[in-house]
Amino acid sequence: KQEVTQIPAALSVPEGENLVLNCSFTDSAIYNLQWFRQDPGKGLTSLLLIQSSQREQTSGRLNASLDKSSGRSTLYIAASQPGDSATYLCAHGNQGGKLIFGQGTELSVKP
Amino acid sequence: DTAVSQTPKYLVTQMGNDKSIKCEQNLGHDTMYWYKQDSKKFLKIMFSYNNKELIINETVPNRFSPKSPDKAHLNLHINSLELGDSAVYFCASSLAGVQETQYFGPGTRLLVL
Repeated sequence: KQEVTQIPAALSVPEGENLVLNCSFTDSAIYNLQWFRQDPGKGLTSLLLIQSSQREQTSGRLNASLDKSSGRSTLYIAASQPGDSATYLCAHGNQGGKLIFGQGTELSVKP
Repeated sequence: DTAVSQTPKYLVTQMGNDKSIKCEQNLGHDTMYWYKQDSKKFLKIMFSYNNKELIINETVPNRFSPKSPDKAHLNLHINSLELGDSAVYFCASSLAGVQETQYFGPGTRLLVL
């Protein structure tokens, strides 16, 4: 069974902290791993996509890593800001472009 | 604006009705998707189309029928709506290929009474 698990389900941190969101998956034959951000009542915004042959991707204060052998990905957010508050979803891509999503980590960054 | 757009944004209807949700993308993509996000925020793919051809059809009731009149549009028609169909439906698009980023629309919030 293909599953994606995200831990923690919710996280509250003070502004300025560095934090790590975790994602684990059971399917070893993934094509890619993507991290998305979802704001309340809005759609998903793609943050980072790591190809199956890559180990990490970086964009600004965000860094995502991928370890296919252990079935894990992490999203590192440096110097968190209140504007980072959102739900963060990871998903892995399968054949045909099908994305298998985790249930998300709801992040709250307090000023 | 270049984006994936959906209409309507909100849809409230009675059980048994038939309704459609429209999706359009002007990103020049040739692959489009429908996802369902349930009350627990869990997102699951329903369909994908590439160049108007059905590629993925998950185990979705046949009351749900996607229609792609052209590469830029993928509409979702739902017959005989049921209470369990209440959810947020997201359209997405991407270039062809499994390594491409998917771009999501804002969602359509469907409530079946």
